Amino acid sequence: DVVMTQSPLSLPVSLGQPASISCRSSQSLVSSDGNTYLNWFQQRPGQSPRRLIYQVSKRESGVPDRFSGSGSGTDFTLKISRVEAEDAGLYYCMQATHWPPWTFGQGTKVEIK
Amino acid sequence: QVQLVESGGGVVQPGRSLRLSCAASGLSINNYGMHWIRQAPGKGLEWVAAIWYDGSNQYYVDSVKGRFTISRDNSENMLFLQMNNLRVEDSAVYFCAKGWNDVGSWGQGTLVTVSS
Repeated sequence: DVVMTQSPLSLPVSLGQPASISCRSSQSLVSSDGNTYLNWFQQRPGQSPRRLIYQVSKRESGVPDRFSGSGSGTDFTLKISRVEAEDAGLYYCMQATHWPPWTFGQGTKVEIK
Repeated sequence: QVQLVESGGGVVQPGRSLRLSCAASGLSINNYGMHWIRQAPGKGLEWVAAIWYDGSNQYYVDSVKGRFTISRDNSENMLFLQMNNLRVEDSAVYFCAKGWNDVGSWGQGTLVTVSS
């Protein structure tokens, strides 16, 4: 199984400051079709997860452009250029290249200082 | 806009069964693989089961193999999870989600509590 490791697990950030979350996979996430199936999800308190990014860097429709994804192979990053109050919550990476199982990172809690 | 609505959760004793449903609206799910993903209280996300667009193949996390069955009715735009021989550790919010590699839309979840 592919192990997804996120860091940090807790990220206090001041409003207007940037934030960055790392996600590393135990093996390359490049698929046989050439795509890399790495997703990022945001889960606000009391809500279900919402996809922000798919295939490493493609932003979901309606997601603010302050969110961006990057990376390749086994090393991926979610960046928030300027954190807003509504960005507080949990963030998960998930790989969908090597299945089953589909696997998630442990989650990173973003809190506003 | 796609909407997924789960139902069927509740409180059940260990060893008993529950059947979860996921109703899709806003699009037909018959072109999409579908998943069940769960989240235990205060814990992270765990993939549980997946089914091909036509129902011909199903996949499960090891901990539920032989106890859970994922199925779908594309004519009714529905996804199901039959959960048998439930254990305390199966207690979680269960979400359905659309997409195979690009797992996208999620429902709001339904809470399953297994307790004596």
